[in-house]
Amino acid sequence: EVQLVESGGGLVQPGGSLRLSCAVSGFTFRSYDMNWVRQAPRKGLEWIAYISTSGSPTYYADSVKGRFTISRDNAKNLMYLQMNSLGAEDTAVYYCARDGSGKYDFDYWGQGILVTVSS
Amino acid sequence: DIQMTQSPSSVSASVGDRVTMTCRASQGISSWLAWYQHKPGKAPKLLIYGASSLESGVPSRFSGSGSGTDFTLTISSLQPDDFATYYCQQANTFPLTFGQGTKVDIK
Repeated sequence: EVQLVESGGGLVQPGGSLRLSCAVSGFTFRSYDMNWVRQAPRKGLEWIAYISTSGSPTYYADSVKGRFTISRDNAKNLMYLQMNSLGAEDTAVYYCARDGSGKYDFDYWGQGILVTVSS
Repeated sequence: DIQMTQSPSSVSASVGDRVTMTCRASQGISSWLAWYQHKPGKAPKLLIYGASSLESGVPSRFSGSGSGTDFTLTISSLQPDDFATYYCQQANTFPLTFGQGTKVDIK
């Protein structure tokens, strides 16, 4: 069974940093591109980052470019999102998602982890 | 960036109704369009990829069509489990973008 489990969320002060992890099982992680998608309160879904199977290339939404870094450890079946210079606008549920059968869609998602940026 | 516009933003329907929603891309994306169902507190679920391909395990009452800039998701006979928000996503070009969603609620 394919499983993706996010961890590392919580409350952080504005300007702070946080690292999210996505632990995967049930499939050959090194064979799949991966993504992070978020949903702010009362808002829609927003794709924020992509990483290819080898770790390069990576792509980012403009809203997080220069502040967030996506990475992966294929030996440990883990993906990460390092988030720096966090602001209130980054408050959201963050999902990790596996690349699907189409060009760049998402066939499996984690349950999501809440990140709250507040003083 | 490619903007995705969904309509309507919400629809009220009854069990058994046929429900159709549309998604328009600001520029052509060939058939690289996905549809997701999202319920509060749950992970989004992929329904359709490649504009018209049904994801494994998704009921056949869901269907997608379109190419280029105009796409449609149809639920042929609405079931109680289908009340949710539906999002389209262009899967062609980075940055990947979603529509704002169509909420299907009970009439």
